[in-house]
Amino acid sequence: AQTVTQSQPEMSVQEAETVTLSCTYDTSESDYYLFWYKQPPSRQMILVIRQEAYKQQNATENRFSVNFQKAAKSFSLKISDSQLGDAAMYFCAYTDSNYQLIWGAGTKLIIKP
Amino acid sequence: DAGITQSPRYKITETGRQVTLMCHQTWSHSYMFWYRQDLGHGLRLIYYSAAADITDKGEVPDGYVVSRSKTENFPLTLESATRSQTSVYFCASSEWGTAQETQYFGPGTRLLVL
Repeated sequence: AQTVTQSQPEMSVQEAETVTLSCTYDTSESDYYLFWYKQPPSRQMILVIRQEAYKQQNATENRFSVNFQKAAKSFSLKISDSQLGDAAMYFCAYTDSNYQLIWGAGTKLIIKP
Repeated sequence: DAGITQSPRYKITETGRQVTLMCHQTWSHSYMFWYRQDLGHGLRLIYYSAAADITDKGEVPDGYVVSRSKTENFPLTLESATRSQTSVYFCASSEWGTAQETQYFGPGTRLLVL
């Protein structure tokens, strides 16, 4: 079965510090795409960052970057200079061979002022 | 307003009743999706649609019916609601449904089945 595992149900970080959220996945595909989505209290699902599996270079988007380890099937999200507005649920997901998104259960990120 | 909207935002119904959740997008995206989100789980795909009049089952389709007579609308119907269908429902769209595309999500509908 195709799965996505986010082993940290909840993480907390001091404002302005760096935090890393972990994600592992299981797929037999060689080419796929990985995503991190953010869901703030408003429940709106917002794309944070995307990684193409055939690209070795890790994706970055401003304060957000990923550490993609294809052989280990690991896709962690690093948030630098954490801000209060980063508080949210973070979901890791990838697209399967049918282009459907397979989602992890999420990590709740708490930012301490 | 442009974007993807869902209605109602909140709904309480009783077991056995029919409920329809509406989804409307203004981008003319080809693909639309319905997900449910339950506590402790990520999103699970219920149904998706590649174009008007083309729909297909996702991971958890049982108890749900969809239609897509117009590109911009993708209603989800619970024909006879059950308590296990209490959940938050998200509609999403993407332009071509390809693997690398971002899916854009609506604000969600919180459904409570008593």
